[in-house]
Amino acid sequence: QLQLQESGPGLVKPSETLSLICSVSGGSISSVSYYWGWVRQPPGKGLEWIGSIYYSGSTYYSPPLKSRVTISVDTSKNQFSLRLSSVTATDTAVYYCASLYDGYFDSWGQGTLVAVSS
Amino acid sequence: DIQMTQSPSSLSASVGDRVTITCRTGQSINTYLNWYQQKPEQAPKLLIYSASTLQSGVPSRFSGSGSGTDFTLTISSLHPEDFATYYCQQSYITPWTFGQGTRVEI
Repeated sequence: QLQLQESGPGLVKPSETLSLICSVSGGSISSVSYYWGWVRQPPGKGLEWIGSIYYSGSTYYSPPLKSRVTISVDTSKNQFSLRLSSVTATDTAVYYCASLYDGYFDSWGQGTLVAVSS
Repeated sequence: DIQMTQSPSSLSASVGDRVTITCRTGQSINTYLNWYQQKPEQAPKLLIYSASTLQSGVPSRFSGSGSGTDFTLTISSLHPEDFATYYCQQSYITPWTFGQGTRVEI
């Protein structure tokens, strides 16, 4: 059973870059079966897919966020990461990392709240 | 992007009730439809994938059906631990999109 854990700052200033890491255990991030993704949820709202990455480095991003998002993978550490630049208050959300199998999110991290505030 | 519309947005039910939640997509997605359950302060949990396949460990009172543009999630007999918010998600084409959620409350 895959386990995922997000880590990173809980507070980011407006216009700066949000950076999170997802550590994967219980399986290899180099598995040919999985993509790895980020999903966010603003307080009291629904789920929004941010982007996904394959172990080879191939990425897919949500069009509204594409210009500000970078997802990368570090197979040596069994981790993948999210960078979101030029953040504003609307980027305040719980950020989840998850594994994707055939397009569905089958394992999730517990989530980490990132607030954007000065 | 494929639009996802869930109904109702919320519903009140009692333990033992049969509950049905509907998800409609803006274009046909075959059976590339998945359902998640989210309890307060928790991560979503996969319940059903490919419209009707129960994820391992999920109780059999949960079932899914549908294809094309219309899908349903049914809870045959509501248990106390089933009070939560339910989301549908299409995996037909990126960008992956979610429904707005259906809150099931007492």
